[in-house]
Amino acid sequence: GNSVTQMEGPVTLSEEAFLTINCTYTATGYPSLFWYVQYPGEGLQLLLKATKADDKGSNKGFEATYRKETTSFHLEKGSVQVSDSAVYFCALTGTSGTYKYIFGTGTRLKVLA
Amino acid sequence: GAGVSQTPSNKVTEKGKYVELRCDPISGHTALYWYRQSLGQGPEFLIYFQGTGAADDSGLPNDRFFAVRPEGSVSTLKIQRTERGDSAVYLCASSLRSGRGYNEQFFGPGTRLTVL
Repeated sequence: GNSVTQMEGPVTLSEEAFLTINCTYTATGYPSLFWYVQYPGEGLQLLLKATKADDKGSNKGFEATYRKETTSFHLEKGSVQVSDSAVYFCALTGTSGTYKYIFGTGTRLKVLA
Repeated sequence: GAGVSQTPSNKVTEKGKYVELRCDPISGHTALYWYRQSLGQGPEFLIYFQGTGAADDSGLPNDRFFAVRPEGSVSTLKIQRTERGDSAVYLCASSLRSGRGYNEQFFGPGTRLTVL
């Protein structure tokens, strides 16, 4: 069945450092891929998405490219801020049916001033 | 406009008791999803409604779990004979569903259930 694997955290970075959070997936067909973010005390928010191979999703300085050849959707940001401290979830949905999300286990990011 | 709301925000119950968790989706959203997020894990799918009917309940862990959406709007997740392992955050999400293709799911803040 479909699954998502993302790097374990926590990831601790200094402000303005470069961020990469790895995400790989297993799926039949051509799933849609997502990054969600959960700030402390808040609900899940969609950060970015890509619905087909080679698409790049971007938002708030974060980017991720849908790589079908490596089944990956790594999250990157060139310069993190303290306010980026949160838990990041990689997720996919199938191409038909219920469109239910399958999430990774989440990666906690802590950015130090 | 208003987002997805869930009540209560916190629920503490004793083992063996019955609980109901409520979800109010965004107005006009016909698709509604329930997920469960255990500590340190990502959310896991429980059940999906399209309108009033449960189109996919393959994620419900056992027959103690049941959900309804009688009028195609508000949904209630019901858990009978709760067990300590049911302790988790229960998330609700809703989306538009206008035929084929993906529509973004909007998540509520969740209900934190603690079974003592």
